[in-house]
Amino acid sequence: QKEVEQNSGPLSVPEGAIASLNCTYSDRGSQSFFWYRQYSGKSPELIMFIYSNGDKEDGRFTAQLNKASQYVSLLIRDSQPSDSATYLCAGAVYNQGGKLIFGQGTELSVKP
Amino acid sequence: GAGVSQSPSNKVTEKGKDVELRCDPISGHTALYWYRQSLGQGLEFLIYFQGNSAPDKSGLPSDRFSAERTGGSVSTLTIQRTQQEDSAVYLCASSLKTGAVNTEAFFGQGTRLTVV
Repeated sequence: QKEVEQNSGPLSVPEGAIASLNCTYSDRGSQSFFWYRQYSGKSPELIMFIYSNGDKEDGRFTAQLNKASQYVSLLIRDSQPSDSATYLCAGAVYNQGGKLIFGQGTELSVKP
Repeated sequence: GAGVSQSPSNKVTEKGKDVELRCDPISGHTALYWYRQSLGQGLEFLIYFQGNSAPDKSGLPSDRFSAERTGGSVSTLTIQRTQQEDSAVYLCASSLKTGAVNTEAFFGQGTRLTVV
């Protein structure tokens, strides 16, 4: 079982809709979770991170963490074609130096 | 510097040759991480440094891979006797510190290695 799992997609949503990206993790020692966006041929770009149960909002993005269910999600409101990218979920365990363990990524396509 | 800098951005090498990949982290960042991303795949952890020491080398695929960091800054990833399966994008990230739940890691633009 992979430590961090994501649906590979592709996930297709119409412009203006809410895109919901999901991630589960197996290591209960994971303390923080990060969402990165990666455009084709580019390096990952940090969107936001979360380490407390509940929701964290930043503009059009909301990260949700449920430690009991070992579940992390990212909601993108008012999706734009420019949001089309692969979204990578990563967990970090700080007694392991904070190394990020990544899921395989979910490809998101926002159709105009 | 303004961001994590990696060089070269592209490297084509012949099978069996050695290559060195360089990472210059954000100034003041004590933690440095190396990842590998094969085509269409997620990021695979290779090694991380806290200062000049490498507490976790568990992701290095074989003894052909090694890394060092000097002066708590620049790091070099060396691949000896390259094989075609080493072809991938090698990504470096740095963060301000380890051991804190709100520490963000920022990536460089990567080195695309092609072994022919």
